[in-house]
Amino acid sequence: AQSVTQLGSHVSVSEGALVLLRCNYSSSVPPYLFWYVQYPNQGLQLLLKYTSAATLVKGINGFEAEFKKSETSFHLTKPSAHMSDAAEYFCAVTASSNTGKLIFGQGTTLQVKP
Amino acid sequence: DTAVSQTPKYLVTQMGNDKSIKCEQNLGHDTMYWYKQDSKKFLKIMFSYNNKELIINETVPNRFSPKSPDKAHLNLHINSLELGDSAVYFCASSQAYSNQPQHFGDGTRLSIL
Repeated sequence: AQSVTQLGSHVSVSEGALVLLRCNYSSSVPPYLFWYVQYPNQGLQLLLKYTSAATLVKGINGFEAEFKKSETSFHLTKPSAHMSDAAEYFCAVTASSNTGKLIFGQGTTLQVKP
Repeated sequence: DTAVSQTPKYLVTQMGNDKSIKCEQNLGHDTMYWYKQDSKKFLKIMFSYNNKELIINETVPNRFSPKSPDKAHLNLHINSLELGDSAVYFCASSQAYSNQPQHFGDGTRLSIL
């Protein structure tokens, strides 16, 4: 069975500082991995996706993530945090049954301090 | 020009009632999903349909019944609502049911009194 673990349910950074949100996955087959962002009272918005084309994936709003098979990780980074980045972030993996079923991590709340 | 729209946005009702949530997508996708987000923000899939055919049916109480009249619509009907049904329900859609990104609606916040 596939699973996703997000280390740190709450991350706090200062505006302008590096953002690092951690995601580790478990999968018996090559995974497809996603990062989504959820702003208050809104749905999930796709930030970026890994589909085996390139290990370093660039997404929207200056975010990027690197797929590391040896570490089974897909951490999300942004060089300089903005106040508008404060939100809930979810890492997700597709299920091996290839039904499109997304398995989500527990989520990480990003707080950005002025 | 909302891509995935859900109605209503908020639903407050009494225990034991029956309610429906509607979802429509105008992206031309052929697969639609229902997810439940609990009070701890944990997201779990409930159902998915591909071209009106049920693909995923997780271990959801049979009080929950999805209906897909066409591939652009996926509604969720809930019978005999219980306190534990209080959550945010998200509809999503994607092209094909493989590994394409899913597009989410803004959610329906269901509160059971």
